[in-house]
Amino acid sequence: SQQGEEDPQALSIQEGENATMNCSYKTSINNLQWYRQNSGRGLVHLILIRSNEREKHSGRLRVTLDTSKKSSSLLITASRAADTASYFCATDWCNDYKLSFGAGTTVTVRA
Amino acid sequence: EAGVTQFPSHSVIEKGQTVTLRCDPISGHDNLYWYRRVMGKEIKFLLHFVKESKQDESGMPNNRFLAERTGGTYSTLKVQPAELEDSGVYFCASSQVGGLLASGANVLTFGAGSRLTVL
Repeated sequence: SQQGEEDPQALSIQEGENATMNCSYKTSINNLQWYRQNSGRGLVHLILIRSNEREKHSGRLRVTLDTSKKSSSLLITASRAADTASYFCATDWCNDYKLSFGAGTTVTVRA
Repeated sequence: EAGVTQFPSHSVIEKGQTVTLRCDPISGHDNLYWYRRVMGKEIKFLLHFVKESKQDESGMPNNRFLAERTGGTYSTLKVQPAELEDSGVYFCASSQVGGLLASGANVLTFGAGSRLTVL
């Protein structure tokens, strides 16, 4: 069954603005990861946050995790045209390390 | 280092025909996964190989799908006979032995996918 679910489904912003997307999941997790997929390409790992962490930063990316609400957010600051892509959250749980993905958020950054 | 490569990038076949998709994982990656994304929906897990063994095939839709990984290197996913609902993008991903980083997480490297269109 679907574990992660991203929101919104689509997001359009102006270059330089921030983009925020959310991920909700159903069961307890070990880790949550965010991946990016540019059109016609494979998914690329962006950032990982463990279940005992609340916030992680990587360059212009900021990820938060609220295990009580079973949700995570991904913030991209100072967006660029190259950030135009689909973003997916992926979770693993218990002793099962295969990743479960959502349907993704499609982000369009307008020049 | 070469990434995960998939072939073909796009295949168009008619209902009832057979298609075989191939995935070459990163050299040395024992874990190999197949996922599928249909019509912009969620990316669904199909199965997981550890070397040549099927570790988990709980996501395989039905017996029209057959995955193999002979010799523990490349993998093939055969759909026979194909149905309209099999259309979608099939992704292959690989990860290192045990699949776990020091953080205890399984980070996957994906191929670009094989888009299958069944008419």
